[in-house]
Formats: sequence, C-alpha cells, structure tokens
Amino acid sequence: DQQVKQNSPSLSVQEGRISILNCDYTNSMFDYFLWYKKYPAEGPTFLISISSIKDKNEDGRFTVFLNKSAKHLSLHIVPSQPGDSAVYFCAASSKTSYDKVIFGPGTSLSVIP
Amino acid sequence: DTEVTQTPKHLVMGMTNKKSLKCEQHMGHRAMYWYKQKAKKPPELMFVYSYEKLSINESVPSRFSPECPNSSLLNLHLHALQPEDSALYLCASSHRSGVVVFEQYFGPGTRLTVT
Repeated sequence: DQQVKQNSPSLSVQEGRISILNCDYTNSMFDYFLWYKKYPAEGPTFLISISSIKDKNEDGRFTVFLNKSAKHLSLHIVPSQPGDSAVYFCAASSKTSYDKVIFGPGTSLSVIP
Repeated sequence: DTEVTQTPKHLVMGMTNKKSLKCEQHMGHRAMYWYKQKAKKPPELMFVYSYEKLSINESVPSRFSPECPNSSLLNLHLHALQPEDSALYLCASSHRSGVVVFEQYFGPGTRLTVT
C-alpha cells in the first residue's frame, strides 16, 4: 500500500518553462514533506521541505505547495534548466517518528534545451 | 563539510561471504540511516541510529547487521546474503533536536551484487 504516490513516472519540459511535479499521500498523520533530487550514480539530494502548518515554501527557483485537504503537494521549478534533469522523489514523515521518511516512487524530469 | 562518504562504491560477494559497508559523516549529525534501493524504486528504510543507539529496525533479516561505533561512523555487516539482496545501499545522516529531525544528507551509495 503506497502511502506516497507520484503518478507521473516521467515528465518532459522545455528549458525556461515551468516544471510541475505532483505528489499525493494517503496517511493523514503525515505533517512534514520533503522533495529530493537524484542524479544517476549519486545519492538523493535534499531540495526543499514544507511543514503542514504552511501551504507554501519557496527557495529560489523551487516552490512547494501543500493542499492538506486534498492530501496533495506539488513542486514548481521556474525557470527549468537542463541541469534540473533528474529523478525527483516526494517524501513524507509524521511526528510519530520523523526518522521514518516514506518516499514516493519518483518522477523522472527531462528538461529539453 | 556537507558530505556523507560510503565505501566501497561497488561490491560483488558470494552467498557465503562476509563483508561490511562503511559510512562516515563529519557534520555532527546524531541520526544515521541505512536504506536499500532497488532499480527504479524509491529508497526503503532499513535501520536508524539515534545518538549511536539503534532506534528503528524495519524488520530487516538478521543477515544484515548494523553497527554504529561512534557518532561519525555507521557500518552494515553482511553475511549469507541472497541474490535478491542485490541493490544500492544508501547511508544518510541528519541533524536532530529532541524529537525533531531535519532533512537527511545521503551518501552516493554502495552498489552491491550478490552472486
């Protein structure tokens, strides 16, 4: 039973345009959400996080939006750059144990020059 | 220094071998993790050490044995593995303040093949 879902296995976007990656979760106990980026042959790299007390968090070109009622979050990358091409994992945890981070299956983003 | 290092990068072992994976961080993080990642799948948590004590074991078979000798080092001892244990093994660390845990920093992983 997947608690964190990323229903788009892949996404292609033109350089300079907006990339929107989506994530849904089923566990209503989740209250902390993270996005990680992974290049081949490297470990995941933390991008941005959001607590359930917020509905938006921004860091440079990256913005995460959280809709708690819909149990949905999204990552916006503006503008998209070729170096952003990677697999993006949505992840979630709860105060019962913030150590137990549950990862989604990932979305492979390709930014076309 | 925001780096987590893992050795070796690649490991091939037979089902009767004993080997160890090593992980090191010098960020002063007091939480360290082992994950297993199969191809085209997300990382799956195996073990968590908090303040050098094992706090979470996600029902991992006993042929995997973790060890945290000090706050900077994390080992994963492997014995009598099966071919289905072949995967990328990722180590991670994070800062913690009480029960609050912050984002995890991952190492590059060890690609393990069991023959």
